Amino acid sequence: GAGVSQSPSNKVTEKGKDVELRCDPISGHTALYWYRQRLGQGLEFLIYFQGNSAPDKSGLPSDRFSAERTGESVSTLTIQRTQQEDSAVYLCASSQRQGASIKETQYFGPGTRLLVL
Amino acid sequence: TQLLEQSPQFLSIQEGENLTVYCNSSSVFSSLQWYRQEPGEGPVLLVTVVTGGEVKKLKRLTFQFGDARKDSSLHITAAQPGDTGLYLCAGAKGTGANNLFFGTGTRLTVIP
Repeated sequence: GAGVSQSPSNKVTEKGKDVELRCDPISGHTALYWYRQRLGQGLEFLIYFQGNSAPDKSGLPSDRFSAERTGESVSTLTIQRTQQEDSAVYLCASSQRQGASIKETQYFGPGTRLLVL
Repeated sequence: TQLLEQSPQFLSIQEGENLTVYCNSSSVFSSLQWYRQEPGEGPVLLVTVVTGGEVKKLKRLTFQFGDARKDSSLHITAAQPGDTGLYLCAGAKGTGANNLFFGTGTRLTVIP
């Protein structure tokens, strides 16, 4: 596709259940980011993948959160034993990262709206 | 603790008015970006500023990076209903930064 896609667009789950969120980046983009956006707030960095390098997991809020990416393709964000405070929009972005460039443009997907009851 | 504070948090103005949105921090950033996010969509990059004091114009939008690279402003001239959205600033720390620090956002509504 032309842009970043995410699925599902909406997810309602019960407290304690596991959820998987999927991100399809723009083809050829080596960098992929996951962010969390709570209602009325800015974006909170979760995790960053760059090519085959070890991911930067410094933003993951707890060990219930994990993410995987195979090569430069699809990424999955998994939240285990969901809690009500996990309710948020989860945004994925990809970019054509060039070395340590600070001018890269991140292209965002529409997000997955997660509601934990 | 939020690294970047934006003000105002909410702004509702009439079509044709001018407005300024502020993004402030006590930290120094290597670059700063402004995004606009519409309901149900992800943020879309508007501009990146890199040099202290830099001013960039995008049609009716003027972006300025503070001299000390700690703050930025976005000025919109003759606002249009199409400008309605959530405006987010985001600062990058260091040339090898793997992530951006996003501000709290300003939700702008332009009334026709």
